[in-house]
Order: sequence, then structure tokens, then C-alpha cells
Amino acid sequence: DTGVSQDPRHKITKRGQNVTFRCDPISEHNRLYWYRQTLGQGPEFLTYFQNEAQLEKSRLLSDRFSAERPKGSFSTLEIQRTEQGDSAMYLCASSFPGTGSPLHFGNGTRLTVT
Amino acid sequence: DAKTTQPPSMDCAEGRAANLPCNHSTISGNEYVYWYRQIHSQGPQYIIHGLKNNETNEMASLIITEDRKSSTLILPHATLRDTAVYYCIVRRLNTGFQKLVFGTGTRLLVSP
Repeated sequence: DTGVSQDPRHKITKRGQNVTFRCDPISEHNRLYWYRQTLGQGPEFLTYFQNEAQLEKSRLLSDRFSAERPKGSFSTLEIQRTEQGDSAMYLCASSFPGTGSPLHFGNGTRLTVT
Repeated sequence: DAKTTQPPSMDCAEGRAANLPCNHSTISGNEYVYWYRQIHSQGPQYIIHGLKNNETNEMASLIITEDRKSSTLILPHATLRDTAVYYCIVRRLNTGFQKLVFGTGTRLLVSP
């Protein structure tokens, strides 16, 4: 399967701990997106990379959140000092560079903060 | 990006066509209509997109009205595996940043 891969699929952590998620996009996709989804809601945009450059960040991305894509391939999303409100599904997507190219999503990392 | 309006839920019998409506009355000329679906515990899956002409692929057909203020996604022969939340999204396309803005979608239940 050459789709978008996310690791881990599930993460349970205690409040105050740091967590890091990884996303491996489809090869040759130079655009990478992070979204967050809470129960009953559609995914909400967090941030966007074109190659290694982080070009857009949502106001949802507080200073406890940081995303990187150091070599323009895989990306990591770190949440520091987790809070119960961070519990959600974190989705990664990637796309070709062409205008209007559809986003292809991974199956997400479900975070539970206890 | 223009806002969309979808019914919160719909039912469909297995084997019948599922017609999912979407209203996007404030759409502008450089905005496309995209459809995604999300099956439980999976990420959203791209289905189809279009500008003003009707589009068809192996998954579905997209019918856009002439004034582009609404569209319909058609699953010609719905199966149980088509049970999912379907999102209609209007996306402005330009040379810059092109995120997708999701609403709450339509929950389609396909029954035997």
C-alpha cells in the first residue's frame, strides 16, 4: 500500500506529557497537511507544508503544538504538555504540487489524554 | 471559501442510487466542488471534484447545476460499504495555498 501512513494509530497519554506523531506521505507528494478531528465534527485544518517549508498555520495550532518536515518527506507533529482538550484524531494528508490536486488522507492517530 | 449546506443524514436501500445534495449558493467562479467521504475510523477519502461540467469516475457521478449554486453526488448502486459521512467542499484554486475546509457532512446509511 503506497498511501499516506501515520504512526501510531492510537496513543493514550496522561495530561502534561508530550507526544509526537509521524506522517509518511505518498512519495512524490510535495504538499503535506495536518488536520484535527473531534467526535461528530469534520476535520479542521492545522498546518501545511510545501516541501520542507511550513507555509500556513491555523489559529488552532497553539504554541504547544509544533510540526516539522525536515527533509521534505515525512513530517512530525508534537504536542507539548498535553491537555484533555487535545484528545482527538490527528489526520495527515498529502497531495501533488498541481493546482487543485486532491488531498489523500491517512487513517489518522487517535490521541486520548487522561 | 464558500460555505456549503448538506442534510445531516440520509438513508438508502442497498442496490439503489444514492443522491446526496449540496447547496453552495455563494460559490464564485474560481471555486471547485469537491466530495470526500469518511468511513468510520478511517481518514477522509477523495471521491470526485468538478467546476461546472458533470463529472463521472469509477466511484460516483457529480452533477453541478448550471448556475453552480448546488450539486448532487450520485452513487449509482449503493452498497453497505458506502455507509459513511459524505463531505461537500468548495475550494478556491489559485497558485497559492489550497486547504480543504470541511463542514459536518451528510451521514449516509445504506441498509439491506
